Amino acid sequence: DSGVTQTPKHLITATGQRVTLRCSPRSGDLSVYWYQQSLDQGLQFLIQYYNGEERAKGNILERFSAQQFPDLHSELNLSSLELGDSALYFCASSVGGGPRNEQFFGPGTRLTVL
Amino acid sequence: EDQVTQSPEALRLQEGESSSLNCSYTVSGLRGLFWYRQDPGKGPEFLFTLYSAGEEKEKERLKATLTKKESFLHITAPKPEDSATYLCAVLSNDYKLSFGAGTTVTVRA
Repeated sequence: DSGVTQTPKHLITATGQRVTLRCSPRSGDLSVYWYQQSLDQGLQFLIQYYNGEERAKGNILERFSAQQFPDLHSELNLSSLELGDSALYFCASSVGGGPRNEQFFGPGTRLTVL
Repeated sequence: EDQVTQSPEALRLQEGESSSLNCSYTVSGLRGLFWYRQDPGKGPEFLFTLYSAGEEKEKERLKATLTKKESFLHITAPKPEDSATYLCAVLSNDYKLSFGAGTTVTVRA
C-alpha cells in the first residue's frame, strides 16, 4: 500500500458526460501527479501540482482539467467524454516538486466510457 | 520528439534463469531514467532512478545500469514473485517525462 488513495475504483459513464476523479496524496507529500494508462498508448503523464499550484503539464487534453486543494487532495475533471478516454487513471504523489522526486502511485481509477 | 523503446515486449523465464531487459531512449538531454514495476491492476511501484552514464543501482535480485543511449534491468536468479511488467521512463532536459510500453516478465516455478 503506497499511502495514496484514489476514488472511485471504477467508473462507467456515457459519451459526452463529465466525471471527477479524486486523489489523496500520502501524508506529508506536497506534489500530486496525474497519469493516463491505456492499452494502445501506455502510461502518459498528464499534469503535476505542487502545493496547490500547477507545476508541469504533459499530454493533457483541453477537455481535461485538474486542481489541487488547500488540504492537498486533487481532482481530475474529464468532460465531453469520448470512447477513447476509457483508461486507467493513476494519481501519484511525492514529497517535493522536482521531477527527480520518487513518486508513489495510487491504485488507479478505471474509467469506462460507453 | 522523445522516444523510449523497451525490449522484449514479453519475457518468459524459468525460476533461477537470469536475464536482462532493455530500455533504449532518444531524448533532448537526459535528466534522469526511472525503472518501475507494475503488477496487474495496480499502480507502478518505483524501483530505481539513474542519472548519468555508468551509474548502477541494485535492489535484491534487480540491478539497473545506464549508458548514454540505453538502460538495462538485470534480473538475477528470478523467482515467481518477480513476475510483473517493468516500465522504464526518461526525464528530458525540458522536464518532459516519457514512458516506454513495458516488458512483461513471467517467471515459472
